[in-house]
Amino acid sequence: GAVVSQHPSWVICKSGTSVKIECRSLDFQATTMFWYRQFPKQSLMLMATSNEGSKATYEQGVEKDKFLINHASLTLSTLTVTSAHPEDSSFYICSARPDGQLPQETQYFGPGTRLLVL
Amino acid sequence: DAKTTQPPSMDCAEGRAANLPCNHSTISGNEYVYWYRQIHSQGPQYIIHGLKNNETNEMASLIITEDRKSSTLILPHATLRDTAVYYCIVRVQFPNTGNQFYFGTGTSLTVIP
Repeated sequence: GAVVSQHPSWVICKSGTSVKIECRSLDFQATTMFWYRQFPKQSLMLMATSNEGSKATYEQGVEKDKFLINHASLTLSTLTVTSAHPEDSSFYICSARPDGQLPQETQYFGPGTRLLVL
Repeated sequence: DAKTTQPPSMDCAEGRAANLPCNHSTISGNEYVYWYRQIHSQGPQYIIHGLKNNETNEMASLIITEDRKSSTLILPHATLRDTAVYYCIVRVQFPNTGNQFYFGTGTSLTVIP
């Protein structure tokens, strides 16, 4: 149980194009999901909190117009990197928090999406 | 910001217990301690979590000090597949968005044959 998938697992795109990454909770519902970014040899950095039915909450320094988040249902959140540039190349990881777990609220992580912008 | 500090790296002989320490001296009374691990180029894998009491599951044991300012993750019989970066996380609670994880730098554990 508690499986989270991401699609695609890797993507290469040209500079200036937009890329959409999907995060799905496969066997549970998640009102709240999270998006992280990880550069080589660094730790995970929280980018934003995605909430079904409301706007995402972005961490300080993360551009909301560049990283568009849509939490369309209780099992799907998408991250769109708009007008991607080489410095956006990174490992993007999502996590989902199963509903009804209070107060423990374990997060389960997807396998990650590796983005390379040429 | 991460509320935990961990040693950057550790080695452990295969078959022996791996003890990974974590300091979280500013932890609040209702904050849980979580442990995850990340094998190269994969998403983090949940290991265990706890609040006050020691916890054990099929993967590991978690020992939390009485003052809750530190904890130790114990892998009882380390195997080569346990080589990974281990993250100790104290969950941060926000009124509007609920609980969030802030990852520290983690401990890179290498299990040696």
